[in-house]
Parts: sequence; C-alpha cells; structure tokens
Amino acid sequence: EDQVTQSPEALRLQEGESSSLNCSYTVSGLRGLFWYRQDPGKGPEFLFTLYSAGEEKEKERLKATLTKKESFLHITAPKPEDSATYLCAVQATNDYKLSFGAGTTVTVRA
Amino acid sequence: DAGVIQSPRHEVTEMGQEVTLRCKPISGHNSLFWYRQTMMRGLELLIYFNNNVPIDDSGMPEDRFSAKMPNASFSTLKIQPSEPRDSAVYFCASRRTGATNEKLFFGSGTQLSVL
Repeated sequence: EDQVTQSPEALRLQEGESSSLNCSYTVSGLRGLFWYRQDPGKGPEFLFTLYSAGEEKEKERLKATLTKKESFLHITAPKPEDSATYLCAVQATNDYKLSFGAGTTVTVRA
Repeated sequence: DAGVIQSPRHEVTEMGQEVTLRCKPISGHNSLFWYRQTMMRGLELLIYFNNNVPIDDSGMPEDRFSAKMPNASFSTLKIQPSEPRDSAVYFCASRRTGATNEKLFFGSGTQLSVL
C-alpha cells in the first residue's frame, strides 16, 4: 500500500525566513509526485508534479525537488500570503488514484 | 472555466437523515473522484468514476454511502442514514481521461455536519 508521510505537521515562520517541508513516500513504482496548496475552507490547489528523481520545479517562492524516497518543498523568503496547508500526494505506476499525506500547515508572520 | 462545482457548501443535518452531495466536473474531464477529508484521517478516496462508470468504490466506508454519475456533467454522493461520524469535508475532483498522471482539479468541498 502506498504511504506518504509529511513533516513537520506545522511550521511557523517569520516573513523572509526560508525553510523546507518534507514528504517521504513508499510506493511500488512512482508515476508522479504531486504538491498541492490548501487554504482554509477551500479545496486543494495544484502546485507541481514531479516524475523522476533529480527533477526540480519552481513557482515564485516555491521549489520542489524529488529523490527516490522523498520530496522537499522549499519556501524561499516566504510572505504571509504563503500561509496554507501544503499537501503531498503520490500516484503509483498503473494506478489512477492519488494517495495524500496529512499535510504541513505553514504560518508566516509579518 | 468555472472549475469543479460542488453543492451545497455547507450541510447541517440530524442523525438518520438522508444527505445528498452534488458535483459538476470540469467540462471535458472524464474522470471523477470523491474524497473525504478529516483531521484524523486526512484526504481519503471514496470512489472513482471513469467515463461515468464506477471503477473503484473500495473506499466507500459502508453501505450507507452510495454514488452515481448519470452523465458526464453530474455526480452525486448520498449518505442514508447519516451518522455523526460522517461529519467531514467532502471533495469532488476531476481530470481528463487518458492523462492518468495529470493533475486533479478539486472543488471547494461540502462541509457536512451530522448532529
């Protein structure tokens, strides 16, 4: 069974204080690893898909990286608007569904 | 593009009542998923449809839960009878068929409270 573990559960940052979120996964074969952002009262919003170890993707202050066992979401010089819960999900080879981790709730204080 | 549309946004009901949640996927998306989100268990897949056909309902917790997709633009998730432990946020998500590693687009969810 696919397993996704995210750490830490919560992260409090000062504006401008860079940090990283971790997503460790166990899957028989990785078809894709997804990062989503979820704001309170809203559905998850897609950020990135990573397909193979060594791949990196960037969007504004966010950069996602992937190894064979884990993914990191780096937040560089965060702003208060980056406050949200960040969810990681994996899709196994020959599977259709995404299995989600519990998420990391990031709070950025001005 | 209006995105995935869910209704109602909030539902408060009493134990034993029937609850029906509704979803309109993005036009052209032939795969539809119902997820449930709770603090304890996070996001759990309940059921997956492809081309309006239920492919995997192994995540549906009990016979009290049922889902239908009568056409490509509409799906329902029904709970009858409802119980307090069903209280959660229910999300509908869709994506294009054939792009099995394409991203899912989520609706805003239905917050269900069963008293």
